[in-house]
Amino acid sequence: DQQVKQNSPSLSVQEGRISILNCDYTNSMFDYFLWYKKYPAEGPTFLISISSIKDKNEDGRFTVFLNKSAKHLSLHIVPSQPGDSAVYFCAASGWRGDMRFGAGTRLTVKP
Amino acid sequence: SQTIHQWPATLVQPVGSPLSLECTVEGTSNPNLYWYRQAAGRGLQLLFYSVGIGQISSEVPQNLSASRPQDRQFILSSKKLLLSDSGFYLCAWSKRTVGTDTQYFGPGTRLTVL
Repeated sequence: DQQVKQNSPSLSVQEGRISILNCDYTNSMFDYFLWYKKYPAEGPTFLISISSIKDKNEDGRFTVFLNKSAKHLSLHIVPSQPGDSAVYFCAASGWRGDMRFGAGTRLTVKP
Repeated sequence: SQTIHQWPATLVQPVGSPLSLECTVEGTSNPNLYWYRQAAGRGLQLLFYSVGIGQISSEVPQNLSASRPQDRQFILSSKKLLLSDSGFYLCAWSKRTVGTDTQYFGPGTRLTVL
């Protein structure tokens, strides 16, 4: 059962523009949300996280927004750079600590 | 600092052969440990997680098993591989702190079953 969904398998943006990656979840018990970035044949690397008591967290060019009522979170990358091209996974965890991942969105940033 | 190791990096095995993938974590104690699989074109599927030595929780019924013989060692095994076991296997660890469960991943093992 897909508790975390990333409905866009791919996204293409121009360098310098904003990239917006979206994620929806169904389990209201999730209280911690993360974004990971993954290059081919490598393990995912942690990018940014947000707890359910916040609605925004910013780290440099990356900002994560959480809308608990809509069970929706998004990752904004501004400005996008070619090196940001990768697969981005949304993840959510609850009190047990086990994490659920979305299927991923492949971001391509064109020079 | 903490590091996580996985080996081998790549593996090609015939159908019906056994499997053993190893994961070790350095620089931390009492971590939570996880095994994931990323199949072609799909997201990360949680296979097993462990909160301590000998404590294994399985997320999906399958042809695989996991063991944690030591605090910082996590092993993924199979007695007889199936074609559908092919994929990219990832080990991850997290601190045992509820509410801040950032997981950190190893480099992964690419398994091809022929």
